[in-house]
Amino acid sequence: AQSVSQHNHHVILSEAASLELGCNYSYGGTVNLFWYVQYPGQHLQLLLKYFSGDPLVKGIKGFEAEFIKSKFSFNLRKPSVQWSDTAEYFCAVMFSGGYNKLIFGAGTRLAVHP
Amino acid sequence: SQTIHQWPATLVQPVGSPLSLECTVEGTSNPNLYWYRQAAGRGLQLLFYSVGIGQISSEVPQNLSASRPQDRQFILSSKKLLLSDSGFYLCVTTRGSSYNEQFFGPGTRLTVL
Repeated sequence: AQSVSQHNHHVILSEAASLELGCNYSYGGTVNLFWYVQYPGQHLQLLLKYFSGDPLVKGIKGFEAEFIKSKFSFNLRKPSVQWSDTAEYFCAVMFSGGYNKLIFGAGTRLAVHP
Repeated sequence: SQTIHQWPATLVQPVGSPLSLECTVEGTSNPNLYWYRQAAGRGLQLLFYSVGIGQISSEVPQNLSASRPQDRQFILSSKKLLLSDSGFYLCVTTRGSSYNEQFFGPGTRLTVL
């Protein structure tokens, strides 16, 4: 079955630290990839997406992600986090031939301390 | 641009009571529609999807059902709620030229007591 794994459930960082959140999926076909963020008390927002082309994609708020097809991975990165990045981050994958359904990872809760 | 309406925004229901959550979409025709649930401490789980009127596919066996009586209307129902049905329910549609980007509604927070 198609699945999405986020290995870090909780991450605690200090401001200015670098961030990398892992995301792996189980499927060998064509995929569209997404990272969403949910700030406390707010709805999901799209951070970035990958459909095709350059595997390094840049999103909003200084976030980027790299699609490594051979590793079935789409890790999210930010060189220097801020307190305002405290939120929950969700990786999601749209598998080809699946009526555009999004399969979400369980999420990673990030806490950034000043 | 597409707009998704969901109501009610919040709902508190006793165990065993029925449920009806409604979602309507504006600004598009023949959309793919989806119901997701976000339970406390968990990610988003796809419950149902629909590619057309009267066409419903269920992703997980559960206490809920869905219907699509009109092109831009999607309803989530239950005859008897369980405690485990508590959560945040999102109605979602697709956008983009290839229907490969999803757009989320405001959601309904359901608490079953």
